[in-house]
Amino acid sequence: EADIYQTPRYLVIGTGKKITLECSQTMGHDKMYWYQQDPGMELHLIHYSYGVNSTEKGDLSSESTVSRIRTEHFPLTLESARPSHTSQYLCASSRLTEAFFGQGTRLTVV
Amino acid sequence: AQSVTQPDIHITVSEGASLELRCNYSYGATPYLFWYVQSPGQGLQLLLKYFSGDTLVQGIKGFEAEFKRSQSSFNLRKPSVHWSDAAEYFCAASSAGNKLTFGGGTRVLVKP
Repeated sequence: EADIYQTPRYLVIGTGKKITLECSQTMGHDKMYWYQQDPGMELHLIHYSYGVNSTEKGDLSSESTVSRIRTEHFPLTLESARPSHTSQYLCASSRLTEAFFGQGTRLTVV
Repeated sequence: AQSVTQPDIHITVSEGASLELRCNYSYGATPYLFWYVQSPGQGLQLLLKYFSGDTLVQGIKGFEAEFKRSQSSFNLRKPSVHWSDAAEYFCAASSAGNKLTFGGGTRVLVKP
C-alpha cells in the first residue's frame, strides 16, 4: 500500500482565490510529480522535483507553482484561480522505478 | 521526442471474454514500461512493470503484458474480464527511472 496523500480530495472555489493543494508521502522518495488530468482522461506532467529545493516545469505549461522544502511535502499553489484551472490534479512519488500516486484532488473553479 | 501511444480510446468487452489493450512507445532506447489502472475518482494503481528480462510480465488482478521490442509495443491482456475491471487503463514509460510519460488512456467498459 502506497503512502502518498493528497488533500483536499474535492475543492470548489471562486475565481481569483489563492489555493494550495497538499501532497505528502511517507516513503522517503526523492522524486515527486504533479500531473493534471483533463476530463478526457489524459495525464499531463506540470511539475516535478528530484529532491529538496529542486523543482522543474513539466511538459504542460501551468500557471501553478510548487515548492519542495521537505522531502515528504510537495504542495502546489495557484495564486489566482480561474475556471480554466478546473481539473483533477494527481501527485506522485518515486525512488528508482515505478511511481506511486495519491487519490487526486478534483478542483472546480466557479 | 519520447512518446507513448494507446490507439484505442474506448473498448467494450463482455464479462468473461478476453481483453487486450494496446500500447506503443517511441524512445531512443528501451524504456521502463508500466501499466496503471484508474477507477472512477481515484488515483492510479500500478498493475505491472517491465524493466528487462522475460518479455511476458505478470501483474496483479490477473493481468499480464508482453514486451515486443521489434514492434515497440507493450500490450496488456487479461484472459477473462470481470465487471470490476471496468476502469481507465494507462500505459506509461520512463527512461532509467526518470519522469513518466503516459499514453492517452483506454476506457474499458464491461457488458454483463
